[in-house]
Amino acid sequence: DGGITQSPKYLFRKEGQNVTLSCEQNLNHDAMYWYRQDPGQGLRLIYYSQIVNDFQKGDIAEGYSVSREKKESFPLTVTSAQKNPTAFYLCASKGLAGISDTQYFGPGTRLTVL
Amino acid sequence: AQSVTQPDIHITVSEGASLELRCNYSYGATPYLFWYVQSPGQGLQLLLKYFSGDTLVQGIKGFEAEFKRSQSSFNLRKPSVHWSDAAEYFCADLKAAGNKLTFGGGTRVLVKP
Repeated sequence: DGGITQSPKYLFRKEGQNVTLSCEQNLNHDAMYWYRQDPGQGLRLIYYSQIVNDFQKGDIAEGYSVSREKKESFPLTVTSAQKNPTAFYLCASKGLAGISDTQYFGPGTRLTVL
Repeated sequence: AQSVTQPDIHITVSEGASLELRCNYSYGATPYLFWYVQSPGQGLQLLLKYFSGDTLVQGIKGFEAEFKRSQSSFNLRKPSVHWSDAAEYFCADLKAAGNKLTFGGGTRVLVKP
């Protein structure tokens, strides 16, 4: 089955700790994205990557870091510098064959800082 | 700067009644517009998208949306809702540079029996 997997589904972290969220896709998509979702605020873009070994900051990149060493993987690290990390994190991917390609989403990871 | 606005945070509708969710966009060029649905604790699923051509777009699950340039709107409709349509709905538009989506704040739909 083709799709996007995110792990873990639920994640708990103590203040001051870094944590890495996993995102893997087997859709052979070039572009991958990380969004943060908070109640009433829709989805906000954290980072995105259109090609391996390259990525760009989104609207709310502060306190986050990413890597794109493989086409199918785009892990997100939430660092201790992120002031309010408790949120629902969604990963997405998209082919770049055409502007009309659909962006597909993973099931999400809910991060809670204790 | 582009933005997407969904004026209604919550909508409650009776099962079997019609549903219309509002979406307004602000962007100078031809917009590429999407509607996604999210069930609680889940990812987003694409309902439909508009790129060009016919301004009335048909999607999955019996949804449709109409692009109205004069009103900068892309409202989502369903003639008769089912209890399973209770979810959060997001409108989004695509910025070609960077292939980035900008999302509205979402509308949560509650379905009364």
